[in-house]
Amino acid sequence: GAGVSQSPSNKVTEKGKDVELRCDPISGHTALYWYRQSLGQGLEFLIYFQGNSAPDKSGLPSDRFSAERTGGSVSTLTIQRTQQEDSAVYLCASSFETGSAKNIQYFGAGTRLSVL
Amino acid sequence: AQKVTQAQTEISVVEKEDVTLDCVYETRDTTYYLFWYKQPPSGELVFLIRRNSFDEQNEISGRYSWNFQKSTSSFNFTITASQVVDSAVYFCALTSLTGGGNKLTFGTGTQLKVEL
Repeated sequence: GAGVSQSPSNKVTEKGKDVELRCDPISGHTALYWYRQSLGQGLEFLIYFQGNSAPDKSGLPSDRFSAERTGGSVSTLTIQRTQQEDSAVYLCASSFETGSAKNIQYFGAGTRLSVL
Repeated sequence: AQKVTQAQTEISVVEKEDVTLDCVYETRDTTYYLFWYKQPPSGELVFLIRRNSFDEQNEISGRYSWNFQKSTSSFNFTITASQVVDSAVYFCALTSLTGGGNKLTFGTGTQLKVEL
C-alpha cells in the first residue's frame, strides 16, 4: 500500500510568516510522529500522536510550534512567525502498534523548509 | 538519558568491499529496542531492522548482517560485497521505556559512499 505522504516536499517562506506542513500516515496506523532533521542538531523528536491526542509534545522547541491530528489520520504541523533557525527537513512517521517502545516507525520523504 | 553514538561520520569504499558501520548506545533501561534506518538521497528514512534487548542473536538478511553485543553496548551493521546502491546515510536509533517509549533517539548518522 501507499507509504507516509508529506506535503509540500519543499517550502520556502519569509521570516515571520506562518507555515503548515501536512502528513498523511499509512492507512490503519494509529500512531504518528514528527521529527526534525537539521545539520546542527541531527534528527530530533518533536511530537507523538496516539489517535488524535498528543501524549508527548516534549520535543516542540517553542510555543511557535503546534500540531494537530484529526480523524485519527492526517496531521498538520504549524510553525508560526518562522525564524531562520526553523530551516530544516521535517519528517513524519507512523506506526501500527499502540504506544510502545517496540514500534517500528515508517517515515515519509519529509518537507524541506527554508526560511529566508 | 539515553544516547546513540555513531563515531564514523563518513566511510568511502570501493564496490564489492565489506564495510561495517558502528553504533554504540547508552540507556539505563533493561528493556530497549535498537533500530537501523537507511536514508538515500531521496530523503526518506527506510527501516532496516529492529532488535530487542533480550535477543542477542546476530541476524543476517542477504548482504546485510547485524552484530548485537550487550557487553559493549554495540549494535554494528555490516554490508558484505557493497554495491553503489548502498550509498546512503545510515542511522542507528534507540527506544526505551524511560527514554520516552515512543521517541526514537538517533545517532548522528554515517554517510556511506560506495564507488566503482
